[in-house]
Amino acid sequence: DTEVTQTPKHLVMGMTNKKSLKCEQHMGHRAMYWYKQKAKKPPELMFVYSYEKLSINESVPSRFSPECPNSSLLNLHLHALQPEDSALYLCASTVGQGEGYEQYFGPGTRLTVT
Amino acid sequence: GENVEQHPSTLSVQEGDSAVIKCTYSDSASNYFPWYKQELGKGPQLIIDIRSNVGEKKDQRIAVTLNKTAKHFSLHITETQPEDSAVYFCADHSNYQLIWGAGTKLIIKP
Repeated sequence: DTEVTQTPKHLVMGMTNKKSLKCEQHMGHRAMYWYKQKAKKPPELMFVYSYEKLSINESVPSRFSPECPNSSLLNLHLHALQPEDSALYLCASTVGQGEGYEQYFGPGTRLTVT
Repeated sequence: GENVEQHPSTLSVQEGDSAVIKCTYSDSASNYFPWYKQELGKGPQLIIDIRSNVGEKKDQRIAVTLNKTAKHFSLHITETQPEDSAVYFCADHSNYQLIWGAGTKLIIKP
């Protein structure tokens, strides 16, 4: 089973709201990723967690706050977002962060900021 | 930094014909090259990958070829079907990250 699940599927939030995205995998993977994808573009890496520790932050604004409570769960906390943050947010996981590991993606959360 | 170029941006083929998508990369140290298929409203799905110790890999109607000397790799889909319509992304793994091509929209004409 190579399933990564994400909730919610769709989210509409105002610029003053606080919301969270959730990602879960039960493959025993130890690296988990957040990506942002705009229409007709490839995914852009935001954060990488390796063994539940943040290992890569691609200069993401502080209004996005990741959290990895355990090896199966990854959250993305959202606060004071801008309309340009509207996008598809994808979670992915791999066995480890090294090279040559297959990266599996969830279905994404479609976020609209009003 | 590492760069992956992907061509064409749009490819329209008759159902039953073959489709070929090509990518070139710049990091000579790259050793892992996955291909993803993304249908509308869904996340990217890993469909095939290749490592630098082989030149070709096949999985039913899908094949990938790698030329490390020329730093290019290609996706071949034979006997295309309507369900092959999607956006396809190539990538290489460089510096602990996937570096993505810009994507190819594949249209299968009935």
